[in-house]
Amino acid sequence: DGGITQSPKYLFRKEGQNVTLSCEQNLNHDAMYWYRQDPGQGLRLIYYSQIVNDFQKGDIAEGYSVSREKKESFPLTVTSAQKNPTAFYLCASSSGPAGTQYFGPGTRLLVL
Amino acid sequence: KQEVTQIPAALSVPEGENLVLNCSFTDSAIYNLQWFRQDPGKGLTSLLLIQSSQREQTSGRLNASLDKSSGRSTLYIAASQPGDSATYLCAVRESQGNLIFGKGTKLSVKP
Repeated sequence: DGGITQSPKYLFRKEGQNVTLSCEQNLNHDAMYWYRQDPGQGLRLIYYSQIVNDFQKGDIAEGYSVSREKKESFPLTVTSAQKNPTAFYLCASSSGPAGTQYFGPGTRLLVL
Repeated sequence: KQEVTQIPAALSVPEGENLVLNCSFTDSAIYNLQWFRQDPGKGLTSLLLIQSSQREQTSGRLNASLDKSSGRSTLYIAASQPGDSATYLCAVRESQGNLIFGKGTKLSVKP
């Protein structure tokens, strides 16, 4: 059963804490993406990776970090520098830059 | 900078109606355009992808058109059903592969 999985579904962050959101895909896709969605807003790109061991900043990368050590995995860390982290985070993948993007179910991050 | 606008922001129709959702974009130099559906609290489901060289794509009761020169796309839903209720997002892909999203149209189909 191919697809994209994200975990956890809900995540709570304390002040000053770094948290990591998981994204795994078994679609054999080269490209992976992280988006942030706020209520009433469109998705905004945080980071993307076109190939293993390479990634690029999106429109709102400040306060976030990523790694791409394996083709299947693209974890996102929300650092303490991100002052407004409460949002719905979506991971996506595609076979290449021009291909259809497939999305995971999302992780909702809340601040305690 | 590319901007994507979707009108209306919300739409409520009775079951069985045919309806049109609109998407406009400011820079016509796009690679392709994609329509997505999002149910509350869920991820996005891809509905249709139109390449820049294409005029339309169809899938079941859905038909998406693209007029690149005027910066417009429409998603036509025939014979709407309550199960079509969701937020519909339009996104344009720029040449480097990034998608630029609109804010979506929230559709409610009433039985």
